[in-house]
Amino acid sequence: QSALIQPRSVSGSPGQSVTISCTGTSSEVGGYDYVSWYQQSPGKAPKVIIYDVTKRPSGVPYRFSGSKSGNTASLTISGLQAEDEADYYCCSSTGSYTWVFGGGTKVTVL
Amino acid sequence: QVHLTESGGGVVQPGGSLRLSCVGSAFTFSAFGMHWVRQAPGKGLEWVAIIWYDGSEKYYGDSVKGRFTISRDNFKNTVFLEMNNLRAEDTAIYYCVREEIHIVQGVPQPGLGTHWFDTWGQGALVTVSS
Repeated sequence: QSALIQPRSVSGSPGQSVTISCTGTSSEVGGYDYVSWYQQSPGKAPKVIIYDVTKRPSGVPYRFSGSKSGNTASLTISGLQAEDEADYYCCSSTGSYTWVFGGGTKVTVL
Repeated sequence: QVHLTESGGGVVQPGGSLRLSCVGSAFTFSAFGMHWVRQAPGKGLEWVAIIWYDGSEKYYGDSVKGRFTISRDNFKNTVFLEMNNLRAEDTAIYYCVREEIHIVQGVPQPGLGTHWFDTWGQGALVTVSS
């Protein structure tokens, strides 16, 4: 159960787009369409923003989108806003009733 | 409003034990698989354990297998995490987390998990230190 690989940080100016990658193996990310993404602001519990690779829960802004190619999933924030500054975590179930998270990516709005 | 409330955190010595509880409210607790996820200070999220909606199956992360036990009492809408032989590296905020279930033609499907987490508690801090 090794953690999924994410960049430690990404940054962008307001209005720009940023993309966070999440790399795993065929045992989780590449093997199942069960990738989800969570946003965590300082001192708060995480909140889901993407599930099943591409789907957005009700209330999550359209500027958040997800995709996957092979063993790498990606989260894109289009039209970056100040309130998007937070930590972001990818997560995948493994098909054997275990889950694994990425190491987390800090998004900074310049 | 759907809510999860953890309790039982605290300071414990290495080798000691602690039991966390999590009460769910405003939803049919017995229909959902429940997880524990932890976060060490300044670190990322780590999945700890899952218990199926009816308690029939339990699975654990490698780092806690054999030391932690997840259980639930559906009559009391509560899930537990019994932690034994605690180590310094177990120091973390422990979140109780609900796994969303599938809804088919508007009807929630008990136990049919979706593999993602829709509701998180506020967390319980566990500190392992002498």
